[in-house]
Amino acid sequence: DIQLTQSPSFLSASVGDRVTITCRASQGISSYLAWYQQKPGKAPNLLIYAASTLQSGVPSRFSGSGSGTEFTLTISSLQPEDFATYYCQQLSSYPRVTFGPGTKVDIK
Amino acid sequence: EVQLLESGGALVQPGGSLRLSCAASGFTFSSYAMSWVRQAPGKGLEWVSGISNTGSNTHYADSVRGRFTISRDNSKNTLYLQMNSLRVDDTAVYYCVKVVYSSTWHFAYWGQGTLVTVSS
Repeated sequence: DIQLTQSPSFLSASVGDRVTITCRASQGISSYLAWYQQKPGKAPNLLIYAASTLQSGVPSRFSGSGSGTEFTLTISSLQPEDFATYYCQQLSSYPRVTFGPGTKVDIK
Repeated sequence: EVQLLESGGALVQPGGSLRLSCAASGFTFSSYAMSWVRQAPGKGLEWVSGISNTGSNTHYADSVRGRFTISRDNSKNTLYLQMNSLRVDDTAVYYCVKVVYSSTWHFAYWGQGTLVTVSS
């Protein structure tokens, strides 16, 4: 199975900060990577797919990049509603997909 | 508007069985693959099972293969997950997911989840 790691696992940031989360795959997955945001008690929400395509309705301050084994999710200017946990997901081996362990973004 | 409404979650003893349902609306259910994803309390996301749009192809995580069965009834716009031989570590919120293909696959829409608790 393809394994994903995320770094950092936790980050503390302020409103207006630029935030970057990294996701690494244990083997090359081309651009078959998605990013999700999850708030406490809620279902995950798709932000980015195909590594860099913004899902409809998602604010443009979110962006994704990367291919192969290393990917990043960037929030250009953190907003109060962005404090949440973020997961990457590989779909190279669809339907047997895997998720990263998550990165919790908290308020500094 | 896409809606996915899970039901069937409950408290069940180890070794017991449960069937989850997911009622879909707002899209042509028979045209889309579907999946189940679970999340244990305080933990991350784990893919459990997937099914093709016609139901002819099914796939399972190693952790549930042989115990869980995914199925769908396209005439009723409903997805199912039959869970047998439940274990304590199956305790989780189970999400029903609509899978979309647009340049790549992605899990575009999620239900609100249903809680399964396995405990004696």
